[in-house]
Amino acid sequence: AQSVTQLDSQVPVFEEAPVELRCNYSSSVSVYLFWYVQYPNQGLQLLLKYLSGSTLVESINGFEAEFNKSQTSFHFRKPSVHISDTAEYFCAVWGSGTYKYIFGTGTRLKVLA
Amino acid sequence: NAGVTQTPKFRILKIGQSMTLQCTQDMNHNYMYWYRQDPGMGLKLIYYSVGAGITDKGEVPNGYNVSRSTTEDFPLRLELAAPSQTSVYFCATSGTRLNNQPQHFGDGTRLSIL
Repeated sequence: AQSVTQLDSQVPVFEEAPVELRCNYSSSVSVYLFWYVQYPNQGLQLLLKYLSGSTLVESINGFEAEFNKSQTSFHFRKPSVHISDTAEYFCAVWGSGTYKYIFGTGTRLKVLA
Repeated sequence: NAGVTQTPKFRILKIGQSMTLQCTQDMNHNYMYWYRQDPGMGLKLIYYSVGAGITDKGEVPNGYNVSRSTTEDFPLRLELAAPSQTSVYFCATSGTRLNNQPQHFGDGTRLSIL
């Protein structure tokens, strides 16, 4: 079985400051890892995914996440946040050989002016 | 491109009523999922389907039923609505190939049981 823990339920940060959202997982099989973002009154949208290869994955809008197998983590980072990044962020894991995602409980990022 | 369409967007039910939440996708994805989202609890999987005619229970299936007669549609039925089923419900899809694994979500159905 797989599980996902997002250690911070809320993270306030000032605009243009860096941010890290933490995600740890546990699994008995190899996993694929994802970060999703949810804006108010919308569904979740994929931000980043780790399937294999380089442990650092990056998106075109400045987000990145690093897979650390020894620490079973997939922490999310952005060097400089904008007001528009205010949203809820979910970490998710897909276990090899399963059909199901397991989602974390989410981290609400609030960017302050 | 419509993607994943959920209807209705909002609904208020009385205890004991029944209703069907609709989910339709136009991406020809085999995998479809129903989640419920409660504050501070993340998403919990209710039911999922790996193809037409095949469904299986997720983490929290009690009080719900599903069917998958076509690739496009995956309705979720509440037979006897209870206050504990007040939640936001999301339908999601994904393809079967690994490159398509990221899920595509609808915008949700906000359901209140009074």
